[in-house]
Order: sequence, then structure tokens, then C-alpha cells
Amino acid sequence: QSVLTQPPSVSGAPGQRVTISCTGSSSSIGAGYDVHWYQQLPGTAPKLLIYTNINRPSGVPDRFSASKSGTSASLAISGLQAEDEADYYCLSYDVNLSGYVFGAGTKVTVL
Amino acid sequence: QVQLVQSGAEVMKPGASVTVSCRASGYTFTRHYLHWVRQAPGQGLEWMGVINPSGGGTTYAQKFQGRLTVTRDTSTSTLYMDLRSLTSEDTAVYYCARVLEGSNDAFDLWGQGTLVTVSS
Repeated sequence: QSVLTQPPSVSGAPGQRVTISCTGSSSSIGAGYDVHWYQQLPGTAPKLLIYTNINRPSGVPDRFSASKSGTSASLAISGLQAEDEADYYCLSYDVNLSGYVFGAGTKVTVL
Repeated sequence: QVQLVQSGAEVMKPGASVTVSCRASGYTFTRHYLHWVRQAPGQGLEWMGVINPSGGGTTYAQKFQGRLTVTRDTSTSTLYMDLRSLTSEDTAVYYCARVLEGSNDAFDLWGQGTLVTVSS
């Protein structure tokens, strides 16, 4: 069981908006540590999607956005496309563990 | 070309040790912290440890302390991960990942992954 909780799966039709939550605690996200989001397509290495809570690296479509509040963060995908079908992971630091933790991942399915 | 290129797949016996390498190119090796992350078959990502390539300082996940050693060779811009006392639960794809400049811990560049299979 990860210290960062994500829903196992979310789904949506093409064009719809989906959100993925990442719930931490007072020792991780709530302590002010940054949250980063990764996209992993089947059989490939993860790709940085959002860094430092809200920022998109160059080349990431603006359909992807993120926010952070309190002990949680969320990733939103607007205008869902077939190519967005992938696993998504959040990452933060946990002071109790003295290390980094990933959420268990959320599989996004495009219906 | 900016990239991290990892060594090839390994098949190991239980109780053995494995070394995975990760060669950096296209950027100044000592300017970016480097991490190791693994992923067991069908499972999520798991953070293992980090090294400062400049000074060599390391931090390991509590789960791997005493069993994991991360080192680097600045003359060849190569990162190494040594994992000892392997069990079947260590069967996974192991990734090296570089930290984005200006960030503390966003991994902007990943190696292609190295599959380590532990089987008798």
C-alpha cells in the first residue's frame, strides 16, 4: 500500500475531461513537498508530464494540467485522446520515510 | 544527443548480486542528481535511491538499505547500481533517471530500463 493514494483506474470518452487524484499526508504532500506526474505508455519508460506541482515540460500538450492543495494533488486531462491511454503516477517526498514515494498508479482508459 | 543508456538484461540466481550500469551522454554528468527506480512485472514504480554525481553522496530507500549500493564514475559519466542478496521479488525492470535542472526531484530523462530476472 503506497503512502500516496491514487485511484486504480479512470476512463472517459474521447474529448472528455478526466481527473486523477493523488492523496498524501502531513508527512508528504501536506508538508509542502513537490508533486510530479509521470505518464507511462505500455512497454516504455516513464515520461515526465508535470513537474513541481503545476508545470508542463516543453512538448507536453496543454491538455494536461495539475494542481496541489493541502495533502492532495490532482492531474487533469482535457480533450481526452486515444494516445492518452496509459498509466499515470504521482511522485513526492515523505519525511517519515526519508525518501521518495510513487503513487500506485492510475490506468487511464479511453472508451 | 542527451540520453541515458543502460546495460542489458540479466538473469541471476537467488542470493547473487547484480550490477546495472547507466551511461550518460549529451550533458554535464556532474550537474544533475541521478536516481534508480524499479518496476516489478505488472506493478507500479518504486523509488530505490539517489546519488549526487558531483560529490558521490547517496541516499537509499529504507527498504534497500544494507543491500543497495549506488556509485558513479565521473571519468566515463557512468552510474552503477549494485543490489545484493537477490530474491525472486527483485525481478523487475530497473531504470536510471536524471533530475531536471532547477528541480529537486523531477525526473526529466530516463534510461531505457534493464530487466533483471531472479530465478533458480
